[in-house]
Amino acid sequence: DQQVKQNSPSLSVQEGRISILNCDYTNSMFDYFLWYKKYPAEGPTFLISISSIKDKNEDGRFTVFLNKSAKHLSLHIVPSQPGDSAVYFCAASDNQGGKLIFGQGTELSVKP
Amino acid sequence: DTGVSQDPRHKITKRGQNVTFRCDPISEHNRLYWYRQTLGQGPEFLTYFQNEAQLEKSRLLSDRFSAERPKGSFSTLEIQRTEQGDSAMYLCASSLILATQETQYFGPGTRLLVL
Repeated sequence: DQQVKQNSPSLSVQEGRISILNCDYTNSMFDYFLWYKKYPAEGPTFLISISSIKDKNEDGRFTVFLNKSAKHLSLHIVPSQPGDSAVYFCAASDNQGGKLIFGQGTELSVKP
Repeated sequence: DTGVSQDPRHKITKRGQNVTFRCDPISEHNRLYWYRQTLGQGPEFLTYFQNEAQLEKSRLLSDRFSAERPKGSFSTLEIQRTEQGDSAMYLCASSLILATQETQYFGPGTRLLVL
């Protein structure tokens, strides 16, 4: 039972353009969502998060949008840079706190 | 560096051997998590501690796996009688729980290969 899904295994974007990474979830008890970035042979690095009481959170080039009715969130990176090339994971937790449920990841490639 | 650290970074072992991994969390963090990640998948939750209490264990954590956090600081994850299916990246994360929402910060992981 995949409660968090990232349906695009990969995404290729030109440098300077917008990257949009998508994530869908099925569990309506999830109330906190996070995006992590992962380089090969390293652990995930926290990027940005959003609470279910908000529909948008912005931090520099990164913006996360949450659509609770559609159970969908997205991460926008603008402008994209070659250093953004990595695997991006979305994750969710419910109102009990504790464990994160991760999606399968989307590999972003930003080409110069 | 005051981030989460894990030791060793890599471990190769033969099937049937026991292995132990260590995680040192960010110093003021009271929660510590273990996850496992296999190729092409996101991290999967194994277990977590709040201070020294183990609060939840996944059904992925068979009786060959045991985790401890004896003094509420570092944690160890032991796998007994390793199997080839245990080959994965084992990730540790820590957080400071102040309310119901928390941000977990991950270490670099320990990559295990069971031959």
